[in-house]
Amino acid sequence: GDSVTQMEGPVTLSEEAFLTINCTYTATGYPSLFWYVQYPGEGLQLLLKATKADDKGSNKGFEATYRKETTSFHLEKGSVQVSDSAVYFCALSDSNYQLIWGAGTKLIIKP
Amino acid sequence: NAGVTQTPKFQVLKTGQSMTLQCAQDMNHEYMSWYRQDPGMGLRLIHYSVGAGITDQGEVPNGYNVSRSTTEDFPLRLLSAAPSQTSVYFCASSSRTGGNSPLHFGNGTRLTVT
Repeated sequence: GDSVTQMEGPVTLSEEAFLTINCTYTATGYPSLFWYVQYPGEGLQLLLKATKADDKGSNKGFEATYRKETTSFHLEKGSVQVSDSAVYFCALSDSNYQLIWGAGTKLIIKP
Repeated sequence: NAGVTQTPKFQVLKTGQSMTLQCAQDMNHEYMSWYRQDPGMGLRLIHYSVGAGITDQGEVPNGYNVSRSTTEDFPLRLLSAAPSQTSVYFCASSSRTGGNSPLHFGNGTRLTVT
């Protein structure tokens, strides 16, 4: 079945560092891909998405490109802030339009 | 903007007790769902609904019941709580089935079963 694999956390960076959180997937067909973010004590919220190959989703300085050839959707940000500390979830939409979730990657940014 | 409201925020149950987790949304969303979040396992879908009067099972439905009598409300019932149901539960809604439009999440209910 469809699945999503994320890099294990926690990922700890200093403020202004470059961020990459890896996400790879297996799926039949051509799923839509998503990144959701969960701040402490809150529910998840959509960060960005891409619906077809080579699409780039972007929001709040974060970017991710849908790479069909490598089945990847890595999340990047050029300069992280303490306020970016959160748990990040990669997900895909399966053939029934249900979301399949990665395990989440906790990001800790130190000042 | 209330969005998705879950109650209670915290709950402790003893094995065998029953309870209902409440979820309400004020966005007139057709699609609603319940997830559980466990460390290292991401989110797992329990039950979902594509409209009032329609519910279906997700990945991990055993031990849980749902109903959808109105568009706004989607309660989750635990009939006989077990320690394996200790988790954080999230309700989510969207205007269309989850993969087609953004999911809006509540802030979660942290449930402990002793």
